[in-house]
Amino acid sequence: DAGITQSPRHKVTETGTPVTLRCHQTENHRYMYWYRQDPGHGLRLIHYSYGVKDTDKGEVSDGYSVSRSKTEDFLLTLESATSSQTSVYFCAIRDSRSGDGKLFFGSGTQLSVL
Amino acid sequence: GQQLNQSPQSMFIQEGEDVSMNCTSSSIFNTWLWYKQDPGEGPVLLIALYKAGELTSNGRLTAQFGITRKDSFLNISASIPSDVGIYFCAGLEYGNKLVFGAGTILRVKS
Repeated sequence: DAGITQSPRHKVTETGTPVTLRCHQTENHRYMYWYRQDPGHGLRLIHYSYGVKDTDKGEVSDGYSVSRSKTEDFLLTLESATSSQTSVYFCAIRDSRSGDGKLFFGSGTQLSVL
Repeated sequence: GQQLNQSPQSMFIQEGEDVSMNCTSSSIFNTWLWYKQDPGEGPVLLIALYKAGELTSNGRLTAQFGITRKDSFLNISASIPSDVGIYFCAGLEYGNKLVFGAGTILRVKS
């Protein structure tokens, strides 16, 4: 257990509404990531963070923003949700003690945009 | 971004069978990882590979880092029902970012 909690676990929202997903970690890891999972695409990186207030874009960042004001929380915001953002969202942390590349994932948030 | 081609897309297993899947890339990776995902859960790390030619085992699972550094293979020996799920390969990009394959879905043959 990497001490990652995602909230909410499920959310249904309407097109055009803002949505914020939260990722909380308890072990002070520096790197945190947001991925989305869609059939046929595997997991694709949205944004990641390498420290407080330090974030960068991933492969599919359009329509998403992130914030990291403290080490333990990494927020993903959909400013105006669209149906194409219906997906399962996973947060991950990189445990630098475990060696390069080893990401550990939360249980996911199922988001439906109607 | 880089693309990983994972095959097969899906397969059926019968208890006791050996299973093989692979992942190829158009670019070189210095680290390959294999994850498994159960329904309703996040992916869980199975094996990490750091050197070309490396062969690493984790119980009944064996993974290899291809010599060209553009591919990796995962084998499951003597499969059991709890092996069903989705298996993902992933390569580590510059900046500690993982790029994933589309996954191989393992189902039980009825």
